[in-house]
Amino acid sequence: GESVGLHLPTLSVQEGDNSIINCAYSNSASDYFIWYKQESGKGPQFIIDIRSNMDKRQGQRVTVLLNKTVKHLSLQIAATQPGDSAVYFCAESVTGNQFYFGTGTSLTVIP
Amino acid sequence: ETGVTQTPRHLVMGMTNKKSLKCEQHLGHNAMYWYKQSAKKPLELMFVYSLEERVENNSVPSRFSPECPNSSHLFLHLHTLQPEDSALYLCASSPGQTDYEQYFGPGTRLTVT
Repeated sequence: GESVGLHLPTLSVQEGDNSIINCAYSNSASDYFIWYKQESGKGPQFIIDIRSNMDKRQGQRVTVLLNKTVKHLSLQIAATQPGDSAVYFCAESVTGNQFYFGTGTSLTVIP
Repeated sequence: ETGVTQTPRHLVMGMTNKKSLKCEQHLGHNAMYWYKQSAKKPLELMFVYSLEERVENNSVPSRFSPECPNSSHLFLHLHTLQPEDSALYLCASSPGQTDYEQYFGPGTRLTVT
């Protein structure tokens, strides 16, 4: 079966610092990946996605890096703000099939 | 607001009760999903509907019964649940069934007593 995991269940960063959240996946055939953010009391919210034909994709203050060799995905948040405090989790899929989600990393931003 | 609403937001029910969860999407999407989110576990896909037809049923117990009367509405009917069914139930929608980001509702926090 699929296995999508995150390296650390919790992460604390100082406001203004950069955050890096990691995700490992097991299916080498996965070709589409999404990062979600889930704030307390809310459903997951799409942050950024990347397809397997890319190594890097940038959004507003966020960057996703994909290393297919080691089946590793990371989310970088620049200049982390208190509003970034949430649970972040990755999702992977093989095109045409369902998504598999990781368990999540809880990010706490220290003012 | 993601364009996906869920009611109720919180529900407490006994094991002999029958209740229904409702989801509505205002995005014109063709696919809708039910997920179960338990503490410290990954999201578990329960059901997928595409163009109002069920296309995925991930070995979910029959005490959970989905219904999709049209492309904007999705229900999850609950009966004779167990305490281990207590979780956050999330509804999501996407433009198509595959290869699209999913938009999630806020979830229904279900407690089975």
